[in-house]
Amino acid sequence: SQTIHQWPATLVQPVGSPLSLECTVEGTSNPNLYWYRQAAGRGLQLLFYSVGIGQISSEVPQNLSASRPQDRQFILSSKKLLLSDSGFYLCASFNGAEAFFGQGTRLTVV
Amino acid sequence: ELKVEQNPLFLSMQEGKNYTIYCNYSTTSDRLYWYRQDPGKSLESLFVLLSNGAVKQEGRLMASLDTKARLSTLHITAAVHDLSATYFCAVHTSGTYKYIFGTGTRLKVLA
Repeated sequence: SQTIHQWPATLVQPVGSPLSLECTVEGTSNPNLYWYRQAAGRGLQLLFYSVGIGQISSEVPQNLSASRPQDRQFILSSKKLLLSDSGFYLCASFNGAEAFFGQGTRLTVV
Repeated sequence: ELKVEQNPLFLSMQEGKNYTIYCNYSTTSDRLYWYRQDPGKSLESLFVLLSNGAVKQEGRLMASLDTKARLSTLHITAAVHDLSATYFCAVHTSGTYKYIFGTGTRLKVLA
């Protein structure tokens, strides 16, 4: 079984500051990795997914970027945060049969 | 473009009642998943449905899949307060590697 480590659990950042959220995976190799965002009371929006090192697909044009420097590491970044970037960010790994999820990061941009 | 829609978006029901949540998706899919999310928490896996006609049951929840209609249902039997949560379906497409969630159904079971 896979384990997804995602940190931090909560984060408060000022508008215009940079962001780096990290997700690491244990228990598998070469997973498909995903970043989702959930606004308050809303659904899960797919932001980025990656099928391998250095391979990033973006779903929605936005203020964020993603990178996959290692097989089991997926990073979500922003150079300058906007108020609208606030939300619950969730990292997921998919092994072809089922998905595993991190505990999420609640980001509040003030 | 793959779209996954659920209805209803909000559901308030009395304890002991039955109800069904619907999940429609727009393209062919390998698998259909159901998850539960409690407020402020990550997702808990409920069911994985792998083929047309698949039916799975766990406690008061039963999920089914009709791939021809591109429809999955999550049926709640004799609801209890502990089932209050948000329920999501999700669809994976092998051709694009996308893993798309439905809009979610927020369920509140009233005592």
